[in-house]
Amino acid sequence: DAGVIQSPRHEVTEMGQEVTLRCKPISGHNSLFWYRQTMMRGLELLIYFNNNVPIDDSGMPEDRFSAKMPNASFSTLKIQPSEPRDSAVYFCASRGTGDEKLFFGSGTQLSVL
Amino acid sequence: SQQGEEDPQALSIQEGENATMNCSYKTSINNLQWYRQNSGRGLVHLILIRSNEREKHSGRLRVTLDTSKKSSSLLITASRAADTASYFCATGGSGNTGKLIFGQGTTLQVKP
Repeated sequence: DAGVIQSPRHEVTEMGQEVTLRCKPISGHNSLFWYRQTMMRGLELLIYFNNNVPIDDSGMPEDRFSAKMPNASFSTLKIQPSEPRDSAVYFCASRGTGDEKLFFGSGTQLSVL
Repeated sequence: SQQGEEDPQALSIQEGENATMNCSYKTSINNLQWYRQNSGRGLVHLILIRSNEREKHSGRLRVTLDTSKKSSSLLITASRAADTASYFCATGGSGNTGKLIFGQGTTLQVKP
């Protein structure tokens, strides 16, 4: 089992650029979560999907952020345009049917200059 | 918000000592989970305790839950240098809405 796979591992971009973060959940898992971690705000839930359908996106900070899950094995989190305050570590996590624990990817360290 | 709040924020102990971390939350929960995060890595699930349970053990970990006080504690016995990490509690909503909300975490340093 390869675990949750996120790419890229690190992303450095300039303010105003579009950023796309990618996640491949564990095969067979039906829930997928996007979290953002910063020193100031801790670990914030941005959005989560069940069976590829967005269930709760109340944590998405603003319209610049969007997330998609076109199929059970892939999700993206897009920021357009990016701003320096978006700098953080973005984690993807997945969960199996009937399970309650999350399995996290290694995260994407995003720096917006 | 049902976000957990942990204390202390940071804890430094000697190898062999016990480490206790506390978590408080605000609303009804279905379960409470503890996760560990090593520097630069993703979170790893440690243990889950359900709202109808009061105590649970897993190896050197002991978790308690007091729903009347809306609090939980994680005890790591006979700590090792390898236990150095950040520890987070996470609460699942009543009725199992699927959301899992994390606290701010406790950073534990175990000195050899």
